[in-house]
Amino acid sequence: RKEVEQDPGPFNVPEGATVAFNCTYSNSASQSFFWYRQDCRKEPKLLMSVYSSGNEDGRFTAQLNRASQYISLLIRDSKLSDSATYLCVVSPILTGGGNKLTFGTGTQLKVEL
Amino acid sequence: GAGVSQSPRYKVAKRGQDVALRCDPISGHVSLFWYQQALGQGPEFLTYFQNEAQLDKSGLPSDRFFAERPEGSVSTLKIQRTQQEDSAVYLCASSLAGTREREQYFGPGTRLTVT
Repeated sequence: RKEVEQDPGPFNVPEGATVAFNCTYSNSASQSFFWYRQDCRKEPKLLMSVYSSGNEDGRFTAQLNRASQYISLLIRDSKLSDSATYLCVVSPILTGGGNKLTFGTGTQLKVEL
Repeated sequence: GAGVSQSPRYKVAKRGQDVALRCDPISGHVSLFWYQQALGQGPEFLTYFQNEAQLDKSGLPSDRFFAERPEGSVSTLKIQRTQQEDSAVYLCASSLAGTREREQYFGPGTRLTVT
């Protein structure tokens, strides 16, 4: 079983739709949680960190449920430019303070006209 | 400012050849990470440096993989006697130490194809 599980999609949605992605993680020692975005043949880029209290950044809302070991990402009013792969990422804190990121397989989103 | 750079961007190696992949982190970034991303998968952790010290190499798939960062800046990932299963994108990331978010900034990757 993978440490971070995500539905690979693809999710095909019309422009303006609301779409939600979920992921589950198995390592209860995980301390930090993130969503990364990866465009085709590009490097991953941090979209947002995820906190237990939930957090919002514009059209994006992330939630963490530590008891259920579940993370979600909600995208409202989706744009064509949101088309990408969204990677769910968890991390313990390493010796020296570094984050060893564990990535899910990613969920592919395609926003269409 | 300059981001993380990696070279070469593309590398084709014949099975059995040795390859060396270079990473130039963002200036001043203490932490450096290597990840391997196979087609259709998320990146997988290989190894981690803080300055010149390699603090975690638990993700290196075999003893054919070796990484170094001798002066705490540039890092090299070396793969000896390459095999077809080594074909992947190798991503390098760097981050500041001690910051709350510890965001990792990724380079564009080196796409390795072993024939």
